[in-house]
Amino acid sequence: AQSVTQLDSHVSVSEGTPVLLRCNYSSSYSPSLFWYVQHPNKGLQLLLKYTSAATLVKGINGFEAEFKKSETSFHLTKPSAHMSDAAEYFCVVSPGGGYNKLIFGAGTRLAVHP
Amino acid sequence: GAVVSQHPSRVICKSGTSVKIECRSLDFQATTMFWYRQFPKQSLMLMATSNEGSKATYEQGVEKDKFLINHASLTLSTLTVTSAHPEDSSFYICSARSEVGNQPQHFGDGTRLSIL
Repeated sequence: AQSVTQLDSHVSVSEGTPVLLRCNYSSSYSPSLFWYVQHPNKGLQLLLKYTSAATLVKGINGFEAEFKKSETSFHLTKPSAHMSDAAEYFCVVSPGGGYNKLIFGAGTRLAVHP
Repeated sequence: GAVVSQHPSRVICKSGTSVKIECRSLDFQATTMFWYRQFPKQSLMLMATSNEGSKATYEQGVEKDKFLINHASLTLSTLTVTSAHPEDSSFYICSARSEVGNQPQHFGDGTRLSIL
């Protein structure tokens, strides 16, 4: 069965400090993996995607994620948090690649303090 | 970039009313559109997938007679919540994608539905 586990429901950081949002996945097939961000009362915006090319994926707004097959992880990082990064972040897997069937993690709420 | 417009952004209505939500792809032709439901502080749950001109495919547990989906053109899909009740109150989000260029799903801004 395919699944996504976001290890932290809430993460709180100070502005200017690094961000780490953790995600582990389970997939029987070669998956595509994504990180989406959702600001309050908004839809989802794609931050970055992994589709079996380079394992270190760079996204928008300074975010990046590394696909580690041996650890079945796809953690999201950013060197320096900004106040505008405060939002809900979803790790998403598409089993077998593609974009039609998306399985969402439970989400991690990122708070950024001044 | 690809833009998906969802309307209305918020609806408040009485129990028993039917509510229609529109999802439009503004600058691309959406071969597939998706409807999700999101409960407070929870993740997105896929309700149904629709391809232009054909019947929607509903996920297990989603009542197709309750949530009517129409995808009449490559740029428009509608979700109608029929005879809505308070338990239907939720945040509904659509997304759309095109097979051309193997595009990812692009999401609308969602509709907050409140049934009194």
